[in-house]
Amino acid sequence: ETGVTQTPRHLVMGMTNKKSLKCEQHLGHNAMYWYKQSAKKPLELMFVYNFKEQTENNSVPSRFSPECPNSSHLFLHLHTLQPEDSALYLCASSQGSVLAGFGGRETQYFGPGTRLLVL
Amino acid sequence: GIQVEQSPPDLILQEGANSTLRCNFSDSVNNLQWFHQNPWGQLINLFYIPSGTKQNGRLSATTVATERYSLLYISSSQTTDSGVYFCAVPSNTGKLIFGQGTTLQVKP
Repeated sequence: ETGVTQTPRHLVMGMTNKKSLKCEQHLGHNAMYWYKQSAKKPLELMFVYNFKEQTENNSVPSRFSPECPNSSHLFLHLHTLQPEDSALYLCASSQGSVLAGFGGRETQYFGPGTRLLVL
Repeated sequence: GIQVEQSPPDLILQEGANSTLRCNFSDSVNNLQWFHQNPWGQLINLFYIPSGTKQNGRLSATTVATERYSLLYISSSQTTDSGVYFCAVPSNTGKLIFGQGTTLQVKP
């Protein structure tokens, strides 16, 4: 148990569906992240939030919409996804993030992931 | 940008054997992390090791920052060690850049 939880753990959706992934961290961290892990590829950073403000959007298509209502919760809203969006989506948190001046020194703690299948 | 290469890409061990996983990176870094991704997908931090050597049970890691590599040692491997091992370093903007991983299978 890393202190970062994600729900649901598995999700199957059609291309016309709208769904949301939820991440919650119980570590008192200020930064939260969404990563995508596709088969046979390294983890790709999607979004970074620091103190609830989005500080990075790594050229992610608009069919992925993040929301960070507070420092403990992070959502990823999904709509009109494509089959190639099927992947493991991982949430992470850290004490600080780049713009807080930590420059990557902070350890990131990952949740268990949501395995998404788009049909 | 910074490149991260891990070797070997795949490794099969008999239970009880020892192994060494390597991570090379192309630029100087102020942080390096090793992760284990279990067969269910969960990514677990193993070490935060910008330099020097750390040990945690049967696992230890050494980073030689001046030579831009890090090693992860697994001793007396167990079937529960199976999974993918990633190293990650921050880019100059602080984003974590992950290697491709080493897939380890430990056979009973």
